[in-house]
Amino acid sequence: DAGVTQSPTHLIKTRGQQVTLRCSPKSGHDTVSWYQQALGQGPQFIFQYYEEEERQRGNFPDRFSGHQFPNYSSELNVNALLLGDSALYLCASSPWGAGAYNEQFFGPGTRLTVL
Amino acid sequence: AQKVTQAQTEISVVEKEDVTLDCVYETRDTTYYLFWYKQPPSGELVFLIRRNSFDEQNEISGRYSWNFQKSTSSFNFTITASQVVDSAVYFCALSPYSSASKIIFGSGTRLSIRP
Repeated sequence: DAGVTQSPTHLIKTRGQQVTLRCSPKSGHDTVSWYQQALGQGPQFIFQYYEEEERQRGNFPDRFSGHQFPNYSSELNVNALLLGDSALYLCASSPWGAGAYNEQFFGPGTRLTVL
Repeated sequence: AQKVTQAQTEISVVEKEDVTLDCVYETRDTTYYLFWYKQPPSGELVFLIRRNSFDEQNEISGRYSWNFQKSTSSFNFTITASQVVDSAVYFCALSPYSSASKIIFGSGTRLSIRP
């Protein structure tokens, strides 16, 4: 049973560029959440997708957007990259059904470096 | 405010010593979940435990134990007879009912176990 997978593993971009990160949830999970973890900090919630809609959003600007596909996989898009966007981006999946407190399984993350 | 405070930035102990990681949380909600995650150098967050706000029973799992005290808003984590493999960054986290599946992380405690 494959866990949460993310691609790519590492990415280097320059300021002003756009980036797309991808996540495939654990088998049987239909909800995907994205987190940003800056160096030396705890992860910060970006947003959550369920049924192809953004259900909840953290304090991130509109430059951060996402998408969920019918197979439950998800993309995180960041436009007009800033140096401060350099971080580890974590994807987490969970089942929605029984409520909001299902255990979230995290992927290995994508390390984004903005130069 | 909804926040998690891990005052200990780094802890270093010699193998076989016991070590306690402190966690203090703030939330307006009466219903919430608390978590501990482990993040090894590989970056993937590993789920350790989840407790709901109505269950103050302490829990023990092998060398790991957790002490939840609502009166002091604390959820501390103790590793008994530490091992080098326990070296990692540990995050305490909170999911308030009002924020559904959003998880609020502390800034983490880096634990180093010296042989």
